[in-house]
Amino acid sequence: GQQVMQIPQYQHVQEGEDFTTYCNSSTTLSNIQWYKQRPGGHPVFLIQLVKSGEVKKQKRLTFQFGEAKKNSSLHITATQTTDVGTYFCAATGGNKLVFGAGTILRVKS
Amino acid sequence: DADVTQTPRNRITKTGKRIMLECSQTKGHDRMYWYRQDPGLGLRLIYYSFDVKDINKGEISDGYSVSRQAQAKFSLSLESAIPNQTALYFCATKGPTDTQYFGPGTRLTVL
Repeated sequence: GQQVMQIPQYQHVQEGEDFTTYCNSSTTLSNIQWYKQRPGGHPVFLIQLVKSGEVKKQKRLTFQFGEAKKNSSLHITATQTTDVGTYFCAATGGNKLVFGAGTILRVKS
Repeated sequence: DADVTQTPRNRITKTGKRIMLECSQTKGHDRMYWYRQDPGLGLRLIYYSFDVKDINKGEISDGYSVSRQAQAKFSLSLESAIPNQTALYFCATKGPTDTQYFGPGTRLTVL
């Protein structure tokens, strides 16, 4: 079945540093979604990317979808302590979502 | 999301016991999903349902069963719990867009 690889598994940054998580697939994706899960919380939808080469921004968060629609990234500029949590990418497969393993972000103030 | 609720929120049980986790939603969505989350493995799909009469196995359905009692209710059962079913379980719904809305989760410990 469809698999989505996400790296890194874990990242610990100093507050104010940038952070990036990457999502890769061996097959072409119809779209990709990103979710954030705060510690002790549940995944919450952030955004969906559909078009080849698409770039979307939400304040300090920048989401990209690769030209071949096989990879995606989430970049956070100048991290804040409120950014801590686990970030998941998820690819649509039929009427299901296939999630990456997630990247845990810790921010040291 | 407050529109998706799960009970219980925490449960400790013993090996061999039958356990039911319940999920209710007020979003009016037809599609509902059960996932389990384990450290380093992300969210893995157990079962999903497109409506009351449509139940489908996910990637890790062995040892689990489900019941869709109504559009708003989707229950997950462990007929005979075992320790490696210790995990965080999430219910989710999906409406007309691709977005999924997750409940608060149930933390299950099997001793």
